[in-house]
Amino acid sequence: GENVEQHPSTLSVQEGDSAVIKCTYSDSASNYFPWYKQELGKRPQLIIDIRSNVGEKKDQRIAVTLNKTAKHFSLHITETQPEDSAVYFCAASRSGGYNKLIFGAGTRLAVHP
Amino acid sequence: EADIYQTPRYLVIGTGKKITLECSQTMGHDKMYWYQQDPGMELHLIHYSYGVNSTEKGDLSSESTVSRIRTEHFPLTLESARPSHTSQYLCASSGDSTEAFFGQGTRLTVV
Repeated sequence: GENVEQHPSTLSVQEGDSAVIKCTYSDSASNYFPWYKQELGKRPQLIIDIRSNVGEKKDQRIAVTLNKTAKHFSLHITETQPEDSAVYFCAASRSGGYNKLIFGAGTRLAVHP
Repeated sequence: EADIYQTPRYLVIGTGKKITLECSQTMGHDKMYWYQQDPGMELHLIHYSYGVNSTEKGDLSSESTVSRIRTEHFPLTLESARPSHTSQYLCASSGDSTEAFFGQGTRLTVV
């Protein structure tokens, strides 16, 4: 079945550094790739998403890149701040009523002051 | 306001009891999900529904059952709770290839 792999499982950076989280997917028909942030004790919330018709999308300090040929996509956070500390999940899905969103295993990001 | 609601938020219950976790969404989404998650850990899919009267089990084996009689409602039932069921249960909903919205979660403790 469809699978999404996410690396690394934990990431520790100094405040101000950049952080990169990578995901690969198995279903070449996947066309929607969201990223979620889950702060401690809270529910996951969407921070950015990208569709298969674009290669990159930016929103202030966060960006996502997509390589359809290699079937991988990445989250980039620049100028990290302590409030970026959280668990980040990538996901992938394809169109069609039956198809579901598949999540990666998550990356715990710690930003140290 | 369009949202997804879970009740109860917290539940402490004795072994062997039957429980139902409620999940309702007002966004008209066809797809709904139940995940089991220990704090800060992976989201384990235990049940999925892509429409009324359509449900399937997820990747993580679970002794719970679900029903989808109405689009907006996706309750999860445990016939006989055990300490191993202690966890957080998150409900989510989405459209076709669109953002998934998560409920606040139910923290279940079985004693």
